[in-house]
Amino acid sequence: GESVGLHLPTLSVQEGDNSIINCAYSNSASDYFIWYKQESGKGPQFIIDIRSNMDKRQGQRVTVLLNKTVKHLSLQIAATQPGDSAVYFCAESPQTGANNLFFGTGTRLTVIP
Amino acid sequence: DSGVTQTPKHLITATGQRVTLRCSPRSGDLSVYWYQQSLDQGLQFLIQYYNGEERAKGNILERFSAQQFPDLHSELNLSSLELGDSALYFCASSFRTGLEQYFGPGTRLTVT
Repeated sequence: GESVGLHLPTLSVQEGDNSIINCAYSNSASDYFIWYKQESGKGPQFIIDIRSNMDKRQGQRVTVLLNKTVKHLSLQIAATQPGDSAVYFCAESPQTGANNLFFGTGTRLTVIP
Repeated sequence: DSGVTQTPKHLITATGQRVTLRCSPRSGDLSVYWYQQSLDQGLQFLIQYYNGEERAKGNILERFSAQQFPDLHSELNLSSLELGDSALYFCASSFRTGLEQYFGPGTRLTVT
């Protein structure tokens, strides 16, 4: 099966600093990657996605970087705020039009005021 | 608010029982996905429906089944429940297969 893993299960950052959450994937044929944020007691919330024909995509305060050579994905959060504290999941889809996402185990981000 | 609704929010039942979880996708979305999340585990894909038809199956037990109705809402049926079935069950929807999925708030199932 697919394997999507995270380098660090927990990450603590000072408020205002930038956060980087990393994710490794195993299937070089994966075409679509997505980051979700899950706050306690809530469902995963879409943050940003990227397709394999891109290596960088920016959103509001977030940037996703894709390195297909080493099969690595990262999520950068600029000027991290207390409201960013949550568990972050990366997920991959093995091919365009695939039906489901394979999720990593998640990284818990804690923002220290 | 993602626009995906799930009911009930909480469900407590005994082993051996059967429950039905309900999901209404975002307006206009044709695909519905069901996921299971246990404790601090990641989300495990269970099953997907697209416009009323089963499209893909993941790690779904034979005791579990689902369907999508003509109005596009979906139900996940869990039978012969075991303690290990206690988990959060999420529904997600997307307009088409292969696009970003939007998740509902989940149903927390506790089997005692």
